[in-house]
Amino acid sequence: KQEVTQIPAALSVPEGENLVLNCSFTDSAIYNLQWFRQDPGKGLTSLLLIQSSQREQTSGRLNASLDKSSGRSTLYIAASQPGDSATYLCAVCSGWTSYGKLTFGQGTILTVHP
Amino acid sequence: GAGVSQTPSNKVTEKGKYVELRCDPISGHTALYWYRQSLGQGPEFLIYFQGTGAADDSGLPNDRFFAVRPEGSVSTLKIQRTERGDSAVYLCASSLSRGSSSVLNTGELFFGEGSRLTVL
Repeated sequence: KQEVTQIPAALSVPEGENLVLNCSFTDSAIYNLQWFRQDPGKGLTSLLLIQSSQREQTSGRLNASLDKSSGRSTLYIAASQPGDSATYLCAVCSGWTSYGKLTFGQGTILTVHP
Repeated sequence: GAGVSQTPSNKVTEKGKYVELRCDPISGHTALYWYRQSLGQGPEFLIYFQGTGAADDSGLPNDRFFAVRPEGSVSTLKIQRTERGDSAVYLCASSLSRGSSSVLNTGELFFGEGSRLTVL
């Protein structure tokens, strides 16, 4: 059974810092990995999706990497801003037959203070 | 529509009552999913529809939970004899079909804002 762990559970940083959020998964036979952002009381916003054949994806100040063999992904946020404050969730799709059936981590609560 | 739409956004009910939650997926998305998110946790998979049929309902916790998608678009999650433990945010997501050959088909899921259910 796939298990996803995110570290740290919470992170508080001053504005402008570069930061890294970590995600690990127990079964390396994945189809894709997706990073989401969730604001309080809101739904999930997709940030980046990495296919199993890819090593990284970038969107603006965000960069996500994937190392299947070690069961790890990292989300790098450059030059953090207060508007980046949210919960960040990592989710893994464990194969073609599990299409859309994501296993989520518990999330990292990020606070960026001015 | 432009995004996944869920109604109601909030529902408060009493223990033992029946509840329906509605999801309207992104136009053109034939795959639809329901997830449940308890406070402080990541979402957990409930059920996946491909078209009108439930392709995978392995995440439904018990037979009080049921979901339908009669015309392959809008879906309704139905909860009978609600219990306090059913209180959570119910999230709906949609995506292109697993079998879609579109170059846009990355398997990416798009979520709605959720329906917050509180059972008193």
